[in-house]
Amino acid sequence: KAGVTQTPRYLIKTRGQQVTLSCSPISGHRSVSWYQQTPGQGLQFLFEYFSETQRNKGNFPGRFSGRQFSNSRSEMNVSTLELGDSALYLCASSLEQVARDNEQFFGPGTRLTVL
Amino acid sequence: AQKVTQAQTEISVVEKEDVTLDCVYETRDTTYYLFWYKQPPSGELVFLIRRNSFDEQNEISGRYSWNFQKSTSSFNFTITASQVVDSAVYFCALSEAETGRRALTFGSGTRLQVQP
Repeated sequence: KAGVTQTPRYLIKTRGQQVTLSCSPISGHRSVSWYQQTPGQGLQFLFEYFSETQRNKGNFPGRFSGRQFSNSRSEMNVSTLELGDSALYLCASSLEQVARDNEQFFGPGTRLTVL
Repeated sequence: AQKVTQAQTEISVVEKEDVTLDCVYETRDTTYYLFWYKQPPSGELVFLIRRNSFDEQNEISGRYSWNFQKSTSSFNFTITASQVVDSAVYFCALSEAETGRRALTFGSGTRLQVQP
């Protein structure tokens, strides 16, 4: 079974631009969560999608948004990029949202650098 | 609010030494889940273990073992006879279960370096 895939793996943008990152969950998984990892703040939860609906959101500004498609693939978008948005963005998929025992499988991440 | 504390920022050991990574958590929930993840230099988080708040049994998996103590809100991870391949950053994480939300609250991580 293929794991979680994230594209692109590396991205360089400049301040003020916007960026879209993509995540394909494991086949059959319907929940996708996004996390941001920075040296200063560590790993922080961004949002979770299940059945094309955002179910949970972390404490990030509105510049961070996401969506999920009917095939469970998810995208996150960051508008008006700031230097502080430079980070490793990790996507995690799990089978269900409410079945709390389900573990989350993480992808390799997209490393975003904002210049 | 949930919080996970990993007080050890970095640990360096020599191969074959045993090493324990500490994790202390805070939560108001009575039902919650605790996790350990390994992050090698490639960046991907690798799931190691999940433990729910009602299961205080210690677990052993090969060279890995975990000690969960609700009385001290700790969920420590021990690697026995460490190997160079164990070098990575290890994260302890917590998720609340009562609301069904899946968001993980991570500790700051412990970087383990195993020297040959």
